Amino acid sequence: EVRLVESGGGLVQPGGSLTLSCAASGFTFSSYAMSWVRQAPGEGLDWVSAISSTGGTTYYADSVKGRFTVSRDNSKNALYLQLNSLRAEDTAVYYCATRSSGSGKRPLDYWGQGTLVTVSS
Amino acid sequence: DIQMTQSPSSLSASVGDRVTITCRASQGISNYLAWFQQKPGKAPKSLIYGASSLQGGVPSRFSGSGSGTDFTLTISSLQPEDFATYYCQQYNSYPMYTFGQGTKLEIK
Repeated sequence: EVRLVESGGGLVQPGGSLTLSCAASGFTFSSYAMSWVRQAPGEGLDWVSAISSTGGTTYYADSVKGRFTVSRDNSKNALYLQLNSLRAEDTAVYYCATRSSGSGKRPLDYWGQGTLVTVSS
Repeated sequence: DIQMTQSPSSLSASVGDRVTITCRASQGISNYLAWFQQKPGKAPKSLIYGASSLQGGVPSRFSGSGSGTDFTLTISSLQPEDFATYYCQQYNSYPMYTFGQGTKLEIK
């Protein structure tokens, strides 16, 4: 069974930093691209970032480019998101998500339970 | 960037009703379109991929159609557990994704 467990959320001041983690199990982590998706309170889903299976290629939404950094450690089955220069509008539940097996393009079939990041003074 | 526009943004319906939600892409995405259901405080749940293929375990009252830029999600006979928010997601630009803004389905 695929399991994704996020951690690291919390309250941080504007301009501060935070690192989120996602522990993966139940699938061959090193074979799949991974994504982060966030959801501000009462709002919709917003794709934030993705990283290739090897970690060699990263992708970002324009809203976080230059401030957030995605990385992974395939030896630990772990995904990370470093959040810098945080703003009030970054307040959201952050989900770790991935695709199912198979070739080609796939949607985000598996999601963690999310971790809440609150940016406030 | 591909933009996804869902309509309506909210919908009131009764148990047993047939409802349809529409999703339009700003450019052609073939059939790389998925639908998700989200209940308050929970992670999104995948319902449909490839525009029309049901995920395992999803009731057959859910169906999807469309290709190119215009897509629909239909629930043939609403059940109490179907009241939730629904999102479309394009994955033509995989591994970059875009979601629609969501449709909140409420009980009339």
